[in-house]
Amino acid sequence: AQSVTQPDIHITVSEGASLELRCNYSYGATPYLFWYVQSPGQGLQLLLKYFSGDTLVQGIKGFEAEFKRSQSSFNLRKPSVHWSDAAEYFCAVGEEGNKLVFGAGTILRVKS
Amino acid sequence: EAQVTQNPRYLITVTGKKLTVTCSQNMNHEYMSWYRQDPGLGLRQIYYSMNVEVTDKGDVPEGYKVSRKEKRNFPLILESPSPNQTSLYFCASSAFAASGNTIYFGEGSWLTVV
Repeated sequence: AQSVTQPDIHITVSEGASLELRCNYSYGATPYLFWYVQSPGQGLQLLLKYFSGDTLVQGIKGFEAEFKRSQSSFNLRKPSVHWSDAAEYFCAVGEEGNKLVFGAGTILRVKS
Repeated sequence: EAQVTQNPRYLITVTGKKLTVTCSQNMNHEYMSWYRQDPGLGLRQIYYSMNVEVTDKGDVPEGYKVSRKEKRNFPLILESPSPNQTSLYFCASSAFAASGNTIYFGEGSWLTVV
């Protein structure tokens, strides 16, 4: 079965600093990969997705992610974090039948 | 507007009292599913449905039932809720049951069982 690991439960960054959230997956074939964000008390919003092609994917809100097959990673990055980015971030891999397997999530705190 | 609508959004109930969380989508999607979200575990799939009258278990189906009598609706039924079913529940839908189809999530239903 597929699995997704987000090694960092919590991350704190200063406003304006760069951000990288880590995600590792296990999957036999080329995976469908996703990053979702959940603001406090809110539902899930899709930030970006990777299916094939260019390994650097641009998303909404200034986020990007890079697919590295050799490292089985799909890390999320943002060059300059804003206070409104404080949320929980989930990495997910798409399985057969359009099921998503999620990581445990990383809670991002932004300090001013 | 494309929507997945869940009700209720918030519910506190007592152990053993049957409850239903409704889910409706307005996009004529074939595929619908339910997830639960728990701290430190992310989201896990409870049940899914490929189409009307076609449902199957996900990863954590124990204690839940579903039905799919109409294409737009996919209710989640807790026949005898227990405290370990306290969680945040999400309904999701996509046009087809094929990897890569855009998945739309509802806003979530917070359920507390006391």
